[in-house]
Amino acid sequence: IAGITQAPTSQILAAGRRMTLRCTQDMRHNAMYWYRQDLGLGLRLIHYSNTAGTTGKGEVPDGYSVSRANTDDFPLTLASAVPSQTSVYFCASSDSLGQGTGELFFGEGSRLTVL
Amino acid sequence: KQEVTQIPAALSVPEGENLVLNCSFTDSAIYNLQWFRQDPGKGLTSLLLIQSSQREQTSGRLNASLDKSSGRSTLYIAASQPGDSATYLCAYTGFQKLVFGTGTRLLVSP
Repeated sequence: IAGITQAPTSQILAAGRRMTLRCTQDMRHNAMYWYRQDLGLGLRLIHYSNTAGTTGKGEVPDGYSVSRANTDDFPLTLASAVPSQTSVYFCASSDSLGQGTGELFFGEGSRLTVL
Repeated sequence: KQEVTQIPAALSVPEGENLVLNCSFTDSAIYNLQWFRQDPGKGLTSLLLIQSSQREQTSGRLNASLDKSSGRSTLYIAASQPGDSATYLCAYTGFQKLVFGTGTRLLVSP
């Protein structure tokens, strides 16, 4: 089934540890995004990528990094996790960013708890 | 600054009612507006996408309208069912940005 796959679905992590959330899409979309969703704050954009080889900062990028080595994969890394990064993380993709008609598709989310 | 506002934040209705969810946005130069559904513990599922040149889109019992001049979109759900219970979010695409509302939590009682 075409779509976005995120892994892991859930993780408990000790503060200070490094963690990478994986995201793979098979729709050949150019644009990919990472959001975090927190109660009362809604969805906030962490990082995005217009196309393979390029990335950009969103609304809340501090403490996170991304890479886009190819079209399909867009991993999100927490270099040294802190409790405030406890959240549900969603990866999304579309066929364009800010330029037109792209419908946004989401993965099922990765629930991260930092202790 | 709240760029997208969804009203009401929560709504509870009996099965069979027609209902309207509202989405207001401050950016007049949007490219499209999308409505999503999110079930507890799940990701977002796209329901309807309205391009900036369109006034409305329909899918089954759902109808979404867009009025760019007033900065409003509505999602109309006809003959609501318990299975419609979920959180509904709207989001618009502007220049170099995607902005989400915080959602309306809908409960449809049998």
